Amino acid sequence: NAGVTQTPKFQVLKTGQSMTLQCAQDMNHEYMSWYRQDPGMGLRLIHYSVGAGITDQGEVPNGYNVSRSTTEDFPLRLLSAAPSQTSVYFCASSSGTGGRETQYFGPGTRLLVL
Amino acid sequence: GDSVTQMEGPVTLSEEAFLTINCTYTATGYPSLFWYVQYPGEGLQLLLKATKADDKGSNKGFEATYRKETTSFHLEKGSVQVSDSAVYFCALSDRGSGSRLTFGEGTQLTVNP
Repeated sequence: NAGVTQTPKFQVLKTGQSMTLQCAQDMNHEYMSWYRQDPGMGLRLIHYSVGAGITDQGEVPNGYNVSRSTTEDFPLRLLSAAPSQTSVYFCASSSGTGGRETQYFGPGTRLLVL
Repeated sequence: GDSVTQMEGPVTLSEEAFLTINCTYTATGYPSLFWYVQYPGEGLQLLLKATKADDKGSNKGFEATYRKETTSFHLEKGSVQVSDSAVYFCALSDRGSGSRLTFGEGTQLTVNP
């Protein structure tokens, strides 16, 4: 049981490039989400999904796209990277959407946009 | 909207000292409250949680009590260890918002031997 996995661990992009951050979980969790972590700001929600085929925006969705074709995978796409997207990105999953469930986080992807 | 405020850090303590990290929140509904911990180079993991008023969450010697009257969820530990050095995040999940977490800024704790 690997839990939540993320790839890559570290990535450098040039402004305007696109890339996909991968996230997968093997716990059959229905809820998955993406956060970004910036110094002094805690974690902020980018996008989330309550099940396959269902996604919605979080607090800071601009510049990011998501899709959820399977229960296991929830990739995050940067369409045209900007320096403001330099951050550490965390994927998380939980077994339900009632608000009381523990969320399980991946190890993170550190992204640097030049 | 919902918000979480943590005490400003960083916090530096000697081993076996008493730890308090303050957390207060604003929410429109009846939130669940969480403390997550992030060890160096890792993702976040749940430390403890409380889902209703007056509940006490506890784990690994850490405790926090859900105080609705003061809208607080302060984290405490009686005797910290070097291995407790990490970043601690207070968070809430409002029932009306599903499983979406709202985080505080995080508090860096360093424990010296």
